[in-house]
Amino acid sequence: QVQLQESGPGLVKPSETLSLTCTISGGSIASSTYYWSWIRQPPGKAPEWIGYLYHSGSTNYNPSLKSRVTISVGTSTNQFSLRLASVTAADTAVYYCVRDTVIGVFDSWGPGFPVTVSS
Amino acid sequence: DIQMTQSPSSLSASVGDRVTITCQASQDIKYYLNWYQQKPGKAPKLLIYDASNLETGVPSRFSGSGSGTHFSFTITSLQPEDIATYYCQQYDVLPLVFGGGTKLEIK
Repeated sequence: QVQLQESGPGLVKPSETLSLTCTISGGSIASSTYYWSWIRQPPGKAPEWIGYLYHSGSTNYNPSLKSRVTISVGTSTNQFSLRLASVTAADTAVYYCVRDTVIGVFDSWGPGFPVTVSS
Repeated sequence: DIQMTQSPSSLSASVGDRVTITCQASQDIKYYLNWYQQKPGKAPKLLIYDASNLETGVPSRFSGSGSGTHFSFTITSLQPEDIATYYCQQYDVLPLVFGGGTKLEIK
């Protein structure tokens, strides 16, 4: 059974870059069966899809964030990462890494990682 | 972007009640709709995919129906552990979009 775990700084200053890593266990990022997504959820709001990564390295991003987002394979085995540049308070949210069985069917989620943007 | 409108935004019901939530898409999304359950402090959990298919391990009291622009999600006999917020989500076109959520409470 696949498990995902987010990690990174929980506090980021405005205008800086948010960086998170997702570690996958019980599965492989190299699998051609799955896509790997980041989703965030601001306090009291609905989830928002940020983007996905495919094993080939191809990516697709939400146009609302595209100019600031990079999702890539991580530096260690079975990891992928999220970078969000020029953050503001509006980027404060719980960030989830998620497995995607088909583009858009999110069947396995990490527990979520709260990130606060504040000076 | 496709807009997903859920109603009601909150709902209070008694144990054993039949509960129905609706989700309307701003354009035809065929059957490309999922339903998720989110309990406080937890990640969302996939319950229904392709509008009406029950995810493995999900109790049969949960069901979904619909196609095109109108969808519904039903709990046939509400249980105390079903207290959560429920979200619909379309995956016909990018960007993937969630509905605003329905918070379900016990009366």
